[in-house]
Amino acid sequence: EDQVTQSPEALRLQEGESSSLNCSYTVSGLRGLFWYRQDPGKGPEFLFTLYSAGEEKEKERLKATLTKKESFLHITAPKPEDSATYLCAVHYGGSQGNLIFGKGTKLSVKP
Amino acid sequence: DGGITQSPKYLFRKEGQNVTLSCEQNLNHDAMYWYRQDPGQGLRLIYYSQIVNDFQKGDIAEGYSVSREKKESFPLTVTSAQKNPTAFYLCASTRGENLPLHFGNGTRLTVT
Repeated sequence: EDQVTQSPEALRLQEGESSSLNCSYTVSGLRGLFWYRQDPGKGPEFLFTLYSAGEEKEKERLKATLTKKESFLHITAPKPEDSATYLCAVHYGGSQGNLIFGKGTKLSVKP
Repeated sequence: DGGITQSPKYLFRKEGQNVTLSCEQNLNHDAMYWYRQDPGQGLRLIYYSQIVNDFQKGDIAEGYSVSREKKESFPLTVTSAQKNPTAFYLCASTRGENLPLHFGNGTRLTVT
């Protein structure tokens, strides 16, 4: 069964304490992996797209990496404003509807 | 600024009533989507449309209906046949296949 699993479900960090979020997937024919940030009561906001193993993307304190089985979202020296739920989504196969979202990791950064 | 507008932000209905959620985009995107988000679950696809006057069912289409008469608009009707309609509904669009989705800010529907 095609699946996307995010871990941990929740992560509490102190400001400046670096860590990583994981997104593991089991799909046939990966077409792309997407990371989004979602604030409470809002729609997800696009962060990164990764298309092939070994690819890396970076934006401010965030860096996304991709292997054949998983992706990591590394957060370096986080600030309280980085607190949000981070969603991973995987597009696979030939149909535009083949997009599976993980359940997300809720990140809290305390000052 | 281009974007996706969902309205209303909050919607309350009595059980047994149909309700329509609005989604409008001015991004000139061909493809549009409707997702449902429940606590502790990933986003689940209800319907999507790749072109005007055409749409496909997603994983949880039962109890929902859509139309795509204009490129900019993709309204979702939650019918009385939907057994658990209370949820956060998200509309999204994309420029093309395998490109990121752009989301609206959602409509929270409460049915009592």
